[in-house]
Order: sequence, then C-alpha cells, then structure tokens
Amino acid sequence: AQSVTQPDIHITVSEGASLELRCNYSYGATPYLFWYVQSPGQGLQLLLKYFSGDTLVQGIKGFEAEFKRSQSSFNLRKPSVHWSDAAEYFCAVGGTGGYQKVTFGTGTKLQVIP
Amino acid sequence: EAGVAQSPRYKIIEKRQSVAFWCNPISGHATLYWYQQILGQGPKLLIQFQNNGVVDDSQLPKDRFSAERLKGVDSTLKIQPAKLEDSAVYLCASTGSSYNEQFFGPGTRLTVL
Repeated sequence: AQSVTQPDIHITVSEGASLELRCNYSYGATPYLFWYVQSPGQGLQLLLKYFSGDTLVQGIKGFEAEFKRSQSSFNLRKPSVHWSDAAEYFCAVGGTGGYQKVTFGTGTKLQVIP
Repeated sequence: EAGVAQSPRYKIIEKRQSVAFWCNPISGHATLYWYQQILGQGPKLLIQFQNNGVVDDSQLPKDRFSAERLKGVDSTLKIQPAKLEDSAVYLCASTGSSYNEQFFGPGTRLTVL
C-alpha cells in the first residue's frame, strides 16, 4: 500500500530564512509526487508535481522539490521564506497509469516569524 | 476557467441529523473525489468517481455515508445519521488528466453537535 510520511508536524522559520519540508513516501514503482499548500479556511492548491524526467522540479511561489529515488524522498524547499508562506503543506503520492488513488501525508504547519 | 465549486461552505447540525454536500467539478473533468479532512490531519479519500461510476469507495463508511454523481458531472455526498466524529472539512476535487493532478474546491466545514 502506498503511504506518505511528513515527519515534521510544525516548523517555525524567520522571514527571509531558507525552508526545507521533508516528505518520505512508500510506493512499489515510480510514483507521481505532489506538494499542496492549504491556507486557513481554503482548499488545497498545487505547488508542484513530479511525474518523470528532471528530478528537481520548480513550482509556483518560488518553491522547488527534489525527487530522490534512493531515499524515497521528495523534500520541498524555498530559499527565502515570506510571511505569506505561512500555511499547511501536504505531500502526496499517486500511482502511475490511469486514474490511481492519491494518498496524502498528515501535513506540516509552517509558521513564519518576523 | 471556473474552479471546483462546493456548497454549503459551513454547516452545523445536531448528531443523528442528516446533511448533504454538493460539488460541481471543473468542466470536462471526468474524475471526481470526495475527501474528509479532520482537523490536524491530511485529506482522506472517501470516494472516487470516474464519470458516473465508482472507482474506489473502500474508505467510505457505507452505513451512514452515500455519494452519487448523476450524469457524470455534479456530485452529492450525504451523511445520515451524522455522528460527532463526522465533524471535519469535506473537500471535493476533480482531475481531467491521467496524471492525478487534482484541483480542489474550498471545502465544506461540518460541525456536528
């Protein structure tokens, strides 16, 4: 069965500092990987996705993520965090080939301090 | 392009009452999902439709939850009777590609008292 682990429940960073959110997945083959962001009272917005090819993917709002097959990881990074980045971030894994189920992690809540 | 629409946005009911949520996916999206997101947790898939057929409902509590997608467009999710533990945000999402990139609606926040 596929699964996603986000080991950090809550992270606090200073505005302007760099950010890395961890994500480890379990899947039997090459997965589709996603990062979503959820602001309070809102639905989920896709930040970026990995399907194949270049293992470093760029997303919206200056985010990037790197797929590391050997570590089963898909960590999200941003070089300089803005106060507006405060939100909850979800990593998700989905199967390839057709309309497969997508499984979400439990999320990491990001707090940005001035 | 219009996004995924959901209504109502908020609902408060007493336990043992029934409630229904509505979702209108992005036009042309064949796949529709209902998720339950309990506070502090990630979304949990309740049911997945492909057009008007059910692909996966393995985590749907079928004794109280039901969902339908008539004509392969709009969908409704019903809870009858509601329990306290059903308090959550119910998210609808849709996708039109085989890459599982899902587009989410704003959700319906259900409070069961």
